[in-house]
Amino acid sequence: GENVEQHPSTLSVQEGDSAVIKCTYSDSASNYFPWYKQELGKRPQLIIDIRSNVGEKKDQRIAVTLNKTAKHFSLHITETQPEDSAVYFCAAKFGNEKLTFGTGTRLTIIP
Amino acid sequence: GAVVSQHPSRVICKSGTSVKIECRSLDFQATTMFWYRQFPKKSLMLMATSNEGSKATYEQGVEKDKFLINHASLTLSTLTVTSAHPEDSSFYICSARDGRTPGGGEQFFGPGTRLTVL
Repeated sequence: GENVEQHPSTLSVQEGDSAVIKCTYSDSASNYFPWYKQELGKRPQLIIDIRSNVGEKKDQRIAVTLNKTAKHFSLHITETQPEDSAVYFCAAKFGNEKLTFGTGTRLTIIP
Repeated sequence: GAVVSQHPSRVICKSGTSVKIECRSLDFQATTMFWYRQFPKKSLMLMATSNEGSKATYEQGVEKDKFLINHASLTLSTLTVTSAHPEDSSFYICSARDGRTPGGGEQFFGPGTRLTVL
């Protein structure tokens, strides 16, 4: 089955700086890679996703890059703000299969 | 985006009782719903996948007689924790997917149910 590793587990960055979270996956057939943001006690919210036919996708301050050859994808948050503080999860899946989640990254933005 | 509701949001029960959690897709037909369990500061652990009108597929290590799942309609799936014990205390989250989306659709998550078993 799919295995997704996520690093780092915790990340603290100064407000205004950039944050990068990286994930690797094992199943080369995976073709959909979403990123979720989860605030304490709340549901995971999809913030950006990418499909395997694309190498990069950007939405304002958030971007995701995908390297299919190396089987890794990354989340980039620029100009970080205090409200970006949360736990971020990457995930991977193939077609209609189940999502496999990474272990999560607790991001803290230091004002 | 699509809306998924979950009820109740919080439940406290005595050991030995059964608890039912409902997951509803409000504005789309969810051909597939997923049930997750999340421990504090941990990732989401998939418990089972339910497809409308068929039996749920449970992940390894999840007791199907303990966690009963029913997906009787395209908008409702229920998870019943039978004879709950303190170790069943957790945050349970459902998600729903519109399977008509080509290539597999996005999963939309419910707000979660915090179960505390005394």
